[in-house]
Amino acid sequence: DGGITQSPKYLFRKEGQNVTLSCEQNLNHDAMYWYRQDPGQGLRLIYYSQIVNDFQKGDIAEGYSVSREKKESFPLTVTSAQKNPTAFYLCASSILGHDSNQPQHFGDGTRLSIL
Amino acid sequence: AQSVTQPDIHITVSEGASLELRCNYSYGATPYLFWYVQSPGQGLQLLLKYFSGDTLVQGIKGFEAEFKRSQSSFNLRKPSVHWSDAAEYFCAVGLYNNNDMRFGAGTRLTVKP
Repeated sequence: DGGITQSPKYLFRKEGQNVTLSCEQNLNHDAMYWYRQDPGQGLRLIYYSQIVNDFQKGDIAEGYSVSREKKESFPLTVTSAQKNPTAFYLCASSILGHDSNQPQHFGDGTRLSIL
Repeated sequence: AQSVTQPDIHITVSEGASLELRCNYSYGATPYLFWYVQSPGQGLQLLLKYFSGDTLVQGIKGFEAEFKRSQSSFNLRKPSVHWSDAAEYFCAVGLYNNNDMRFGAGTRLTVKP
């Protein structure tokens, strides 16, 4: 079955530690996204990528980094510079629509907590 | 800048009752509109989308939504709610580029037996 796989489902970070969240898709989608979800705030865009080896900052990129070395993969690193990393992180992908905005397909998320 | 507002943070309905979840958007042109549903601890699932044409859109799980340009609204409806519909619902507005999608804060639906 085609879809998006996020791992791990739960992740704990120690003070001063960088952690990496995995996102893999086998939908052959060009575009991939990372969102942060906090209670009562909906989804906020962290980073997105429309093509391999290229990515753009979203609204809340500070303290995060990404890479896009393969079309299928878009890992997110939460660095020690992110002072409030506790949240639910969602990865999404979509085809690129040249004349319309295409729906995004989501993974099941990773919940990150601070130890 | 485009934005989307879901005025209701939490709604409770009885099983079998009708449902309407409100969504208002702010954008200068006709946007692309979406409704997603999220069960606890899960990702978002697309319920329906509006790009153009018929303003009444049918989706999965018996949901429908109506685009009203004059009111800048895209409300989600279901004639008879089932207990399994309890979840959080997000309205989203998109522009020409996929990266310019904005999500509302969500409406949590509770279904009473």
